[in-house]
Amino acid sequence: SAVISQKPSRDICQRGTSLTIQCQVDSQVTMMFWYRQQPGQSLTLIATANQGSEATYESGFVIDKFPISRPNLTFSTLTVSNMSPEDSSIYLCSVEWQGGTYGYTFGSGTRLTVV
Amino acid sequence: KQEVTQIPAALSVPEGENLVLNCSFTDSAIYNLQWFRQDPGKGLTSLLLIQSSQREQTSGRLNASLDKSSGRSTLYIAASQPGDSATYLCAVPRSNDYKLSFGAGTTVTVRA
Repeated sequence: SAVISQKPSRDICQRGTSLTIQCQVDSQVTMMFWYRQQPGQSLTLIATANQGSEATYESGFVIDKFPISRPNLTFSTLTVSNMSPEDSSIYLCSVEWQGGTYGYTFGSGTRLTVV
Repeated sequence: KQEVTQIPAALSVPEGENLVLNCSFTDSAIYNLQWFRQDPGKGLTSLLLIQSSQREQTSGRLNASLDKSSGRSTLYIAASQPGDSATYLCAVPRSNDYKLSFGAGTTVTVRA
């Protein structure tokens, strides 16, 4: 399965600022997925990033708050904009295994604290 | 809508005891089920993936069973070690688009 490098691993940010999280995959993949994990909660899918088209957002998430870029088949970024303390979470990217098994690999996560 | 539930939410056992973690899902028409491990503040590590046609999958001390008809999967960890302390998550692909639905996880503490 693919290997994902995600950075930064953690950050502490001031409210009102933005943070961009990067994910680099060691192979070409069609879709990349972005998740949020709020403290003590499970993972919630934010959006699906396809190369060459707009990201598809899940209910409750909007592009103005979480803009996503997907410039090529191995890289994607998620920006958390105009942050508030409620955005303090772990953010993770994920890709699907090759071969149609619908298994998934995850990045190492970005632990964001907004103060 | 697929609902995934994990019981118990937390578990504490002495070293050497076997662990039994449960995962249930409401829609039995699943494609597969995947178990993950998450260390505090970190990403997810895939442990096992069971295809819908399989009854169980094994990797070292880990064994996962799947009973689609009853909507259940169980992860067994034999002879637990302090290094097994982590949160364990199960996930199934959504039937409409195969993106994952997660349970809330079971947090395991293995006492030395």
